[in-house]
Amino acid sequence: SQQGEEDPQALSIQEGENATMNCSYKTSINNLQWYRQNSGRGLVHLILIRSNEREKHSGRLRVTLDTSKKSSSLLITASRAADTASYFCATVLTGANSKLTFGKGITLSVRP
Amino acid sequence: DAGVTQSPTHLIKTRGQQVTLRCSPKSGHDTVSWYQQALGQGPQFIFQYYEEEERQRGNFPDRFSGHQFPNYSSELNVNALLLGDSALYLCASSLRGGQPQHFGDGTRLSIL
Repeated sequence: SQQGEEDPQALSIQEGENATMNCSYKTSINNLQWYRQNSGRGLVHLILIRSNEREKHSGRLRVTLDTSKKSSSLLITASRAADTASYFCATVLTGANSKLTFGKGITLSVRP
Repeated sequence: DAGVTQSPTHLIKTRGQQVTLRCSPKSGHDTVSWYQQALGQGPQFIFQYYEEEERQRGNFPDRFSGHQFPNYSSELNVNALLLGDSALYLCASSLRGGQPQHFGDGTRLSIL
């Protein structure tokens, strides 16, 4: 079953604009991660945020976590055509060891 | 530094057949997890192997089985294939079941 739910399902922006993607989840988590998947390829880990953290940055990526609302957001600043991909949030539930539970993903298209 | 490698990249089988997929973890990793990703969906956790034992299992029938070898590589076996088993099968590795997990490019399995 899907734990996370990403929003929107699809996003189309112009190169140079910022892209914001949201993820909501249902149960208590140990950490939340964002992955990118280019068409037909494997997943690439982008960033991990632990349940006791509120914000993390990595290059052009900014992730926030609100455990009271059970939600997270991923911001990609100054987007590039190469950012075109599917983005997934994945949670590690409390007590679930390292099992990742994914949402259905967001398709991001960045127009040159 | 070799990443996660999976073989074969593509496979076509017919209903009722059996299939074996292979995964070599990233150098230095000892834990292997398998995920099934249907078209347009997020990956679903199948199971995880550590120290040659199945440590966690997702909601998949017994037709799905696995093995981990002393060199940490792993196999996923699926018996009595159904049309619904058509998917991208992803292998991910980590150190002692930690985070983040590193994914291979997957095996695309098509059932006719």
